[in-house]
Amino acid sequence: GAGVSQSPSNKVTEKGKDVELRCDPISGHTALYWYRQSLGQGLEFLIYFQGNSAPDKSGLPSDRFSAERTGGSVSTLTIQRTQQEDSAVYLCASSQSGYQPQHFGDGTRLSIL
Amino acid sequence: QKEVEQDPGPLSVPEGAIVSLNCTYSNSAFQYFMWYRQYSRKGPELLMYTYSSGNKEDGRFTAQVDKSSKYISLFIRDSQPSDSATYLCAMSARGNNRLAFGKGNQVVVIP
Repeated sequence: GAGVSQSPSNKVTEKGKDVELRCDPISGHTALYWYRQSLGQGLEFLIYFQGNSAPDKSGLPSDRFSAERTGGSVSTLTIQRTQQEDSAVYLCASSQSGYQPQHFGDGTRLSIL
Repeated sequence: QKEVEQDPGPLSVPEGAIVSLNCTYSNSAFQYFMWYRQYSRKGPELLMYTYSSGNKEDGRFTAQVDKSSKYISLFIRDSQPSDSATYLCAMSARGNNRLAFGKGNQVVVIP
């Protein structure tokens, strides 16, 4: 079946612009996660959605980062006023429920000029 | 100290050799342990998923968890060139579903 789908696969933008990254989880998966992967830092947790519960936003690095999940399915990660240090691969994962294994998409490669 | 330590040094082995990878961790609350494989410009792919201590085998792959030592391992038998990738360990605690990752090991299997 279809896996986690992320778009765009690559995004280049100028410093100070806003960007939106999209994630379509595996159908039927109630849990959705965003991570960031940068050189030297490994994978870092950003935010977690589970069903209709309030999201766990504890990993968001600043208030320039926000995410929403509409209808319990698609999620959008928004970065406002991008900075060069935001350059990274942003990965989305989903799981059937909170304690099930997480399955990842191929990520969005974000480059800030 | 990071929650999960994984020596990121590249590892080159000849085809057919056993690959041995490991991670240590500091958080005793971790109960779920995973190994992911990541090819270049792709997302992490789940290889092994284990709960608490013990061994799990799946084909050429064996995962071991020693909670008393806070140490997990992945063994790849009869390694193939297609096993060349970065291997990431990950773990989570009950009640906290975020994954904590190691930095990853780049493995190269030489034909």
